[in-house]
Amino acid sequence: AQSVAQPEDQVNVAEGNPLTVKCTYSVSGNPYLFWYVQYPNRGLQFLLKYITGDNLVKGSYGFEAEFNKSQTSFHLKKPSALVSDSALYFCAVRDSFTGGGNKLTFGTGTQLKVEL
Amino acid sequence: EAQVTQNPRYLITVTGKKLTVTCSQNMNHEYMSWYRQDPGLGLRQIYYSMNVEVTDKGDVPEGYKVSRKEKRNFPLILESPSPNQTSLYFCASSLNRWGNTEAFFGQGTRLTVV
Repeated sequence: AQSVAQPEDQVNVAEGNPLTVKCTYSVSGNPYLFWYVQYPNRGLQFLLKYITGDNLVKGSYGFEAEFNKSQTSFHLKKPSALVSDSALYFCAVRDSFTGGGNKLTFGTGTQLKVEL
Repeated sequence: EAQVTQNPRYLITVTGKKLTVTCSQNMNHEYMSWYRQDPGLGLRQIYYSMNVEVTDKGDVPEGYKVSRKEKRNFPLILESPSPNQTSLYFCASSLNRWGNTEAFFGQGTRLTVV
C-alpha cells in the first residue's frame, strides 16, 4: 500500500523568508513523488515531480523539493516566499511497483499563508 | 491550449435525481480519473480509466458510475445522488498509465445534494 502524510495543516511565513512544506511517504517499491498547488476556486496545478535521478528537483514559480530516501521525505521549499504563494499545497505519491494502475495517493493538504 | 474541461462548475440537486458531470481533455491522454475532495481528507480517487472501454474502481466508487467510449471524454454519473456525495469533484488526465507523468486537472465541480 502507498500513503503520504503532510503533518502540518497550515504553515505561516513572512514574505521574503524561506518556506518549507513537509511531506513524508510510504511505498513498497520506488516512489514517484509530486507536488501540486491549488488556488481558491481552481483545479490543482502541477509544481514538480521526482521520478529518478537528482534528489533536488526544481519546479515552477521558484519552488524546489528534495527527495530523501532514508527519511522517506519530499519536502517542498522556496528560498523567498511571496504573498502570491499563499495557497493549498498537496503532496502525492505513486508506488512504481503497482503496475499500470497509475493511482496517485494524495496527502490531506497544507495551507500556506504568506504575510507581509 | 492543453486543458481538461469539466462541466458544470457548480451544481445543486435533490436527492435521487440522476446527474452527469462531463469531463473532456484535448491532449490525447491515455489515463483519466475522477477524484473527490473533502476537507481534511485530501483527494480520493473514485474511478479511473487506462484507455477507451477500460475503467476500474478507485478508493471510493460507491454511488458512482463512469464510461469511456471515446479517448477524450470521461463522464461521471451519479444515478441516485445522496447528501453524502456533496463534495468538490475533479477530473484529471495523464499521458500514460505508468504514473511517471504529471496529471492535469479540471477546474472542479462543486456539487451540493439536498
